[in-house]
Amino acid sequence: GAGVSQSPSNKVTEKGKDVELRCDPISGHTALYWYRQSLGQGLEFLIYFQGNSAPDKSGLPSDRFSAERTGGSVSTLTIQRTQQEDSAVYLCASSLGVGIYNEQFFGPGTRLTVL
Amino acid sequence: AQTVTQSQPEMSVQEAETVTLSCTYDTSESDYYLFWYKQPPSRQMILVIRQEAYKQQNATENRFSVNFQKAAKSFSLKISDSQLGDAAMYFCAYRRISSGANSKLTFGKGITLSVRP
Repeated sequence: GAGVSQSPSNKVTEKGKDVELRCDPISGHTALYWYRQSLGQGLEFLIYFQGNSAPDKSGLPSDRFSAERTGGSVSTLTIQRTQQEDSAVYLCASSLGVGIYNEQFFGPGTRLTVL
Repeated sequence: AQTVTQSQPEMSVQEAETVTLSCTYDTSESDYYLFWYKQPPSRQMILVIRQEAYKQQNATENRFSVNFQKAAKSFSLKISDSQLGDAAMYFCAYRRISSGANSKLTFGKGITLSVRP
């Protein structure tokens, strides 16, 4: 079947506007992760959903960032009042479970540019 | 907290030659997982190879192999018979194994590998 998909592929917004980034995980995958890749940096963990458990939000950089996962499938990452330092590639990954052989499959990411 | 360090920002290799990408990490845990991911210009992260820390044998996947030195907390990736398609960014990553631990990956900053024809 299809892999992890993300939309939009690219998003340009003005400082202070809100943005929503969407992730469609692989069907049946219970775990979903959001990472942020800033220029010259590695991937930084943002948030993690596993089944019906409460999400691990420990990586969210500020209260302007939030995410939800509806029906255990699609996830939306929302950034309110965007700042220039939010410019980055936002990557989503999903996995069938959380064991080592449950590989995290990544989407192509959304490149966010805040002017 | 765990950290992953990739100190070389860029490397270059001649096609058909062998190249080694370095990675060190810091952790107080005895069991964990280590990974190398490849990110081509398409941005799609691809798992190259994985290693369980409790296994002494180094992992191998075709032309890719690792040199895992647990005491030195070193995890290097060796690419043999380099191909033009190997050109990409490579990320080293760490994952906790302990019960209840968040299965998030902690990444290094990556290294850009170019392959000369």
